[in-house]
Amino acid sequence: EPEVTQTPSHQVTQMGQEVILRCVPISNHLYFYWYRQILGQKVEFLVSFYNNEISEKSEIFDDQFSVERPDGSNFTLKIRSTKLEDSAMYFCASSDDTLETAQHFGDGTRLSIL
Amino acid sequence: DAKTTQPPSMDCAEGRAANLPCNHSTISGNEYVYWYRQIHSQGPQYIIHGLKNNETNEMASLIITEDRKSSTLILPHATLRDTAVYYCIVSPLNRDDKIIFGKGTRLHILP
Repeated sequence: EPEVTQTPSHQVTQMGQEVILRCVPISNHLYFYWYRQILGQKVEFLVSFYNNEISEKSEIFDDQFSVERPDGSNFTLKIRSTKLEDSAMYFCASSDDTLETAQHFGDGTRLSIL
Repeated sequence: DAKTTQPPSMDCAEGRAANLPCNHSTISGNEYVYWYRQIHSQGPQYIIHGLKNNETNEMASLIITEDRKSSTLILPHATLRDTAVYYCIVSPLNRDDKIIFGKGTRLHILP
């Protein structure tokens, strides 16, 4: 069964550094998402992306965050200047264009900010 | 905020049916009921969804009450691998709509 893959599985970065999290969505999917989960808390929506532009973003997704689909397969989340509170699991998800669809999630990248 | 109410935790014996309840008394006519689960250290996994009819797939069954104000997810023969947090979500069937996760139900399958 096709799946969403995320790399790296664990990223350790110094505060203030830029970080890029990478995702390869399921190949025929057209809608892409990023969520995050701080340890012990709920999964929170960050941003949705369709047709090469952001569809919706949450309050968490401020100017330090950006997303990009640089080619036909990758979907990236960039944090420009990381803060301690950015430490979390980041999940990428994708969904297809059928009417009754569900989001399929990767297993996440654990981001640790030192 | 999530529009559903679920018990924080439940136990179920291995091999028995696990019945996970969810209340969604403010559900709108165009909203579906979705169930996802999150096994420890993994991403959320889609299980099943429905509008008003009962649904069954290879993973589970979904029973929705006639007034659509509550539903039950049934795992017919629970195994240890079904230990996870189960999320009940109501959402319109829009392709790019975000999922709003609540706290879910932490299901423990007991050997």
